[in-house]
Amino acid sequence: QVQLVESGGGLVKPGGSLRLSCAASGFSFSDYYMSWIRQAPGKGLEWLSYISNTGSIIYYADSVKGRFTISRDKAKNSLYLQMNSLRAEDTAVYYCARPRYGGVDAFDIWGQGTMVTVSS
Amino acid sequence: QSVLTQPPSVSGAPGQRVTISCTGSSSNIGAGYDVHWYQQLPGTAPKLLIYGNSNRPSGVPDRFSGSKSGTSASLAITGLQAEDEADYYCQSYDSSLSANVVFGGGTKLTVL
Repeated sequence: QVQLVESGGGLVKPGGSLRLSCAASGFSFSDYYMSWIRQAPGKGLEWLSYISNTGSIIYYADSVKGRFTISRDKAKNSLYLQMNSLRAEDTAVYYCARPRYGGVDAFDIWGQGTMVTVSS
Repeated sequence: QSVLTQPPSVSGAPGQRVTISCTGSSSNIGAGYDVHWYQQLPGTAPKLLIYGNSNRPSGVPDRFSGSKSGTSASLAITGLQAEDEADYYCQSYDSSLSANVVFGGGTKLTVL
């Protein structure tokens, strides 16, 4: 069964850090680009970052560039998002998502999401 | 403000047909990039509904269809059912932004 499971969310103070994980199973993780996408409460979807299957190509949205770092571990079939200098506006459900085919494509597999709350 | 513009809400009675528009520009939809559509039921992750402008993944009813023309795309839902009540998002790509994956702001579909 193709599955993505996020973890690592929680409550963090402004300026703090958090590392999200996304465990992949049921498919060849090393063949796919992977993305992080978030959704603030009551708001729409915002793409944050993607990483190529080899990790050599990485893009970030301007809203997180310089603060968030995407990475992946082939051996652990896992995707990560290191989030530093967190702000209240980073409060959201964070999803990892897989494209239909290896590269940049529609996202056909999504995790269940993990909630990040930035508040003092 | 989203790069792709969708109406905040649409509504229709059961059995009716509704359309949801997604308007972009020459740097995204108009540049020839594909448009994808997602359905998000309350409290759940988005689900891919249409990919590559007009293609349905396996399991998506043929009541859902997508089209694209110029700098816009549309999602049509025929034979509206109560379970179609959800948020719908379009997604494409933009050559002018570093955030080259872009979403519409979303449209809330209410089944009357």
